[in-house]
Amino acid sequence: AQSVTQLGSHVSVSEGALVLLRCNYSSSVPPYLFWYVQYPNQGLQLLLKYTTGATLVKGINGFEAEFKKSETSFHLTKPSAHMSDAAEYFCAVSVETSYDKVIFGPGTSLSVIP
Amino acid sequence: DARVTQTPRHKVTEMGQEVTMRCQPILGHNTVFWYRQTMMQGLELLAYFRNRAPLDDSGMPKDRFSAEMPDATLATLKIQPSEPRDSAVYFCASAPGSGMYNEQFFGPGTRLTVL
Repeated sequence: AQSVTQLGSHVSVSEGALVLLRCNYSSSVPPYLFWYVQYPNQGLQLLLKYTTGATLVKGINGFEAEFKKSETSFHLTKPSAHMSDAAEYFCAVSVETSYDKVIFGPGTSLSVIP
Repeated sequence: DARVTQTPRHKVTEMGQEVTMRCQPILGHNTVFWYRQTMMQGLELLAYFRNRAPLDDSGMPKDRFSAEMPDATLATLKIQPSEPRDSAVYFCASAPGSGMYNEQFFGPGTRLTVL
C-alpha cells in the first residue's frame, strides 16, 4: 500500500535560517509527488510538484524539493525562512490505481522564530 | 481570480440533525474532491467526481454521508444524522480534467461542530 511519512510533526526555525521538511513515500511505480501548504484557516495550496525529468523542482515562495528515488524521499527546503512561511506543510504521493487521487502525509507544522 | 467557494464556512449543529455543505468548483474544472481534516486522522479523501459522476466514495461512511453533483457548478456533501465524531473541517477541491494528477485547488473549508 502506498503511504507518505513526514518526519517531525512540528519544526521550528529562526528567521533567516534554512528550512528542511522531510518526506518519505512508498510506491511500487514511479510516483508523482507534491508539496502543499496550508495557512491558518485556509485550504491547501500547491507549492510544487514532481512528475518526471529534473529531480530538483522549484516552487513558489522560494521553496524547492529534490526527488531521490534511491532514498524514496522528497524533502522540501528553503534557504532562508521568513515569518510568512509559518504554516502547515503536507507532502502527497499519487495513487497508483488512479489518475487523480493522491495520498497526503500527516503534515508538518512550521514555526518561524523572530 | 478563480477560486473554489464553500458554504457555510462554519456550522454548529446538534447531534441527529442533517448537515448540508456546498461547494462551487472553479469554472471549467471537471474533477471535484471532498476531504475531511481532523487532528487525529489528518486529511482524508471522502469522495470524488469527474464530469459529475462519482468515481470513488470508499472513504465515506455510507450509512450517513452522501455526496452529489446536481450540476457542474455545485457539489454537495450531506450528513444525516450527524454525530459528534463528524466534527471536522470539510474541504472541497477541484482540478482540471486534462492530464494526470493535476494540481488540486482547495476551498476555504467548512468547519463543522456537532454537539
